Amino acid sequence: KAGVTQTPRYLIKTRGQQVTLSCSPISGHRSVSWYQQTPGQGLQFLFEYFSETQRNKGNFPGRFSGRQFSNSRSEMNVSTLELGDSALYLCASSYVGGNNEQFFGPGTRLTVL
Amino acid sequence: QKEVEQNSGPLSVPEGAIASLNCTYSDRGSQSFFWYRQYSGKSPELIMSIYSNGDKEDGRFTAQLNKASQYVSLLIRDSQPSDSATYLCALYTGGFKTIFGAGTRLFVKA
Repeated sequence: KAGVTQTPRYLIKTRGQQVTLSCSPISGHRSVSWYQQTPGQGLQFLFEYFSETQRNKGNFPGRFSGRQFSNSRSEMNVSTLELGDSALYLCASSYVGGNNEQFFGPGTRLTVL
Repeated sequence: QKEVEQNSGPLSVPEGAIASLNCTYSDRGSQSFFWYRQYSGKSPELIMSIYSNGDKEDGRFTAQLNKASQYVSLLIRDSQPSDSATYLCALYTGGFKTIFGAGTRLFVKA
């Protein structure tokens, strides 16, 4: 079974730009969660989507948004990029109704200059 | 108080020894508990899940859960240099949210 895929793997943007990251979950997994990981803050929860609906969100500004499509693929968008948005963005998928195990994709490394 | 607390380390153990990693949590309603391993520059990889009090063994790994004391631990027997990584403790609190600790860096000396 194919794992979680994320595209692109690397991105370089400048302040003020916006970016869209994509995540395709494991086949059969309908829940997708997004995390931001930085050396100083560790893994921070951004939001979770299930059945095209955001079910929970973390403490991030409204510049961070996401959506989920009917095939469970998910995108997250960051608008008006700031230097502090430089991080590894990870998505994880899980099978709802199971044991809540999450499986991570390889991540997208975003650098904001 | 952080929701999930781990000693940041580094924890250094000699090859062949037992590495003991600990995690405490604050939410008594937490339902599921996980250990992830993350190598530098890579994404986290799930290595153990535990849901009820007691021990769960999988190869060289043993997860231990004590809900009354609100701690979960991971033992790595016969530690190998390839076990050198950051280990993340995580728990599912319900409401479609999993919370991660900051991780413990483990270094296994050959």
